[in-house]
Amino acid sequence: SAVISQKPSRDICQRGTSLTIQCQVDSQVTMMFWYRQQPGQSLTLIATANQGSEATYESGFVIDKFPISRPNLTFSTLTVSNMSPEDSSIYLCSVARDRLLAKNIQYFGAGTRLSVL
Amino acid sequence: TQLLEQSPQFLSIQEGENLTVYCNSSSVFSSLQWYRQEPGEGPVLLVTVVTGGEVKKLKRLTFQFGDARKDSSLHITAAQPGDTGLYLCAGAGEKGGSEKLVFGKGTKLTVNP
Repeated sequence: SAVISQKPSRDICQRGTSLTIQCQVDSQVTMMFWYRQQPGQSLTLIATANQGSEATYESGFVIDKFPISRPNLTFSTLTVSNMSPEDSSIYLCSVARDRLLAKNIQYFGAGTRLSVL
Repeated sequence: TQLLEQSPQFLSIQEGENLTVYCNSSSVFSSLQWYRQEPGEGPVLLVTVVTGGEVKKLKRLTFQFGDARKDSSLHITAAQPGDTGLYLCAGAGEKGGSEKLVFGKGTKLTVNP
């Protein structure tokens, strides 16, 4: 497994502002992902964070709204830009070590609970 | 687009009862993961099944992968209040090198004492 630290754990933000969420892993990993989860519901993949290149976004998510950085193999950030109340959600970081050996197993951080007023 | 249909969506039972959660798809998966998530936490991996027909046991939890690798089930025997949580199944694509997981909608289980 992997130890994943996600910060902040929760935040309350004003409409129109931006929040950057950090994800730190205790060892190098191949893949890092960012998800959004409405309380009590399943996960929706926002994007795959690629080390050294632009993130790969899923349909419905764009870089201007959710810019992502991944400067090395242990760290990534997700920014929620120009927030509105509809962005209130849980944001989760996950990692996968090696897709060939680990059969696509992903490990998750504890999440960031965001409320936008 | 691969989809995983998970059922039931909600389940409220009494301590000591048995239950089964199902995940079904028309697509073939190279592996399937089951996670449990408690309030305020991220999903925690319970098990990964890889081989068609595979059965894995984790104490009172039994996981099965369908022969065709299109479906899976989670059976809990003698449920306890500590089993309460959101259970998620997630499938990895059939094509080699596909890192993304397809998640079911989740089953919110409540076990009442």
